[in-house]
This record gives sequence, C-alpha cells and structure tokens, in this order.
Amino acid sequence: GAVVSQHPSRVICKSGTSVKIECRSLDFQATTMFWYRQFPKQSLMLMATSNEGSKATYEQGVEKDKFLINHASLTLSTLTVTSAHPEDSSFYICSAHPFRDRAQGGNTIYFGEGSWLTVV
Amino acid sequence: GEDVEQSLFLSVREGDSSVINCTYTDSSSTYLYWYKQEPGAGLQLLTYIFSNMDMKQDQRLTVLLNKKDKHLSLRIADTQTGDSAIYFCAGLGGSSYKLIFGSGTRLLVRP
Repeated sequence: GAVVSQHPSRVICKSGTSVKIECRSLDFQATTMFWYRQFPKQSLMLMATSNEGSKATYEQGVEKDKFLINHASLTLSTLTVTSAHPEDSSFYICSAHPFRDRAQGGNTIYFGEGSWLTVV
Repeated sequence: GEDVEQSLFLSVREGDSSVINCTYTDSSSTYLYWYKQEPGAGLQLLTYIFSNMDMKQDQRLTVLLNKKDKHLSLRIADTQTGDSAIYFCAGLGGSSYKLIFGSGTRLLVRP
C-alpha cells in the first residue's frame, strides 16, 4: 500500500528556535498534502493544505508566518515551526492523497507516522 | 461546515464484536473514512466508503452508512486485544480533500 513518511518522528528544540518537519510520499506522487495538529487525547485539527508549486492554504486561526509550509516537489512537503514556543509542543501529522488514485476515481488518503515536537 | 461526532469510549471482551458509531452533518460528504491510531503513532487507514454505498465489508471490518440519518458505523468482528486503539471517523469536506475528524473513540478490548 501507499506509504507516507515523516521525519523526524521526535524532536526537542529550545524556545525561540525553528524546527522543520518533512512529509514524504514514498511510492506515489501527491499534488496536495495536508498538515494536522493533534493535542494529547484530542482529535486532529487541520492546519493547512500544502499545494505543490504554489502557496499553502491555511485554516482559520493558523498563523502562516509561524507555520511555514513548502511543497517543492510532488513527493515532499515541509512544515517549519518558526520561533517555537512551549505552546507549540504537539503531535504534527501529514496526509497525502495518491494522484494515481484520484485519476482512477478512488479516494484513499494516507497519513504519516506523525512527529512529536517538544519545545523546552 | 462539516461536524463529525463520535462516542468517546467503548469497552468489549476479546472475541466479541465491537461497533463504533459516528454521526456527521454535511450531507455532501462524498467519502467517509475510518482510521485507527495506536498510542504515539500516526493514523492507519482502515477503510472508507463512498456515499452511494450502504455497506462495505473488508475481512473483519464492516462499515454501514445510513445517509438519511447521517450515521456511519464500524463493526469489528472477533475483536482482539490488538484492536485496542483510538478509532477516528472522518468525512471529506465538500469538493476538497480536507478531512474533518470526529473526536475519536477509544476502544478497549478486555481479555
């Protein structure tokens, strides 16, 4: 099946620094990827839609200057948390939809393993 | 916008069937999904159903969709301890590929 990989799986950074999380589709191309945030014991909240070759679309209430998203290729999207603070500590998960599935009328959406960010 | 609701907790005995329920508000949702999340891990796609279907079966999993009541359920037959996890239902929001998640149902399987 399709695989979406995230890196790093866990990262600890100092307050005020920036950290980058990568999301890769390993065996398919994805023109669109999504970034979610999950607080402990809560559901997933969509942060933004990452569009290959264009600007990301952010959900209401998500600071685009703080959560920088870059989707430079059909298999890679990155989320950079800039000037991180302890309240940014969370579980960040990306998802991707195989372009080949869409072309065939399917609609599978796969998630990465998630990245735990701890800001100290 | 779409709102998806689930019961928070379900406890069953090993070998019994589990039924996890979900309700949604957006009748234009074309696809509805079930994901499994184990502690500290990402989301595993279990199955999904297209809105023109009433039922979908995949091995131990059966998905039932009642479009009139906007109700979705996931039945796990012969539930095993390895099925203990949080189960999320999610609806596809309109014409985009954005998923709207329910709160998740924590399934506990007792030996």
